[in-house]
Amino acid sequence: DIQITQSPSTLSASVGDRVTITCRATHSIGDWLAWYQQKPGKAPKVLIYRAFNLQRGVPSRFSGSGSGTEFTLTITSLQPDDFATYYCQHYTSFWTFGQGTRVEIK
Amino acid sequence: QVHLVQSGAEVKKPGASVKVSCQASGYTFTDYYIHWVRQAPGQGFEWMGWINPSNGGTNVAVKFHGRVTMTRDTSISTAYMEVSGLTSDDTAVYYCARDEAVSGMADYWGQGTLVTVSS
Repeated sequence: DIQITQSPSTLSASVGDRVTITCRATHSIGDWLAWYQQKPGKAPKVLIYRAFNLQRGVPSRFSGSGSGTEFTLTITSLQPDDFATYYCQHYTSFWTFGQGTRVEIK
Repeated sequence: QVHLVQSGAEVKKPGASVKVSCQASGYTFTDYYIHWVRQAPGQGFEWMGWINPSNGGTNVAVKFHGRVTMTRDTSISTAYMEVSGLTSDDTAVYYCARDEAVSGMADYWGQGTLVTVSS
């Protein structure tokens, strides 16, 4: 089975910072990776699909990159609304999620 | 617009079963798979399986074989997931999500259903 490792688990940042979150897969998954944002008590919201495609309505400060085994979610100029937990997801006939990264206020 | 609306919170005793519903609207129910995912308190996501609303075919995660049943009623655009033999480890928020297969993502999610297992 393919395992997904997400890092860091927690990230302290300030408004305006550039933030990077990484997911690594044990085997190549091509570009079948999505990124989600979750706020407390809410369902996840998709930000990026197929590694680098921005979902409709998502601000352009979010971007995804990578392929194969290493993927990155970048938030340029962190905004107050961005403090949340982020998850990567390997998409196939079954879903595997990363462990999550909590972005907190420094 | 697309909506997935789930049934309300449940409190169950150990050994009982729970059935969670997920009613879809705003699209053709049979055109998209529905997945079920759960999130224990303070934890990440655990994939449980999917159902193909078109033919009722399912794929349940190995961990849940024999304990989880997924069904649907196309007449009311609703998917169901039943978990039997509940233990305290099943206490979690259960989500349904629409599978956008072409793009490779879960593009719409239900609001979540909290299932609490307690004696």
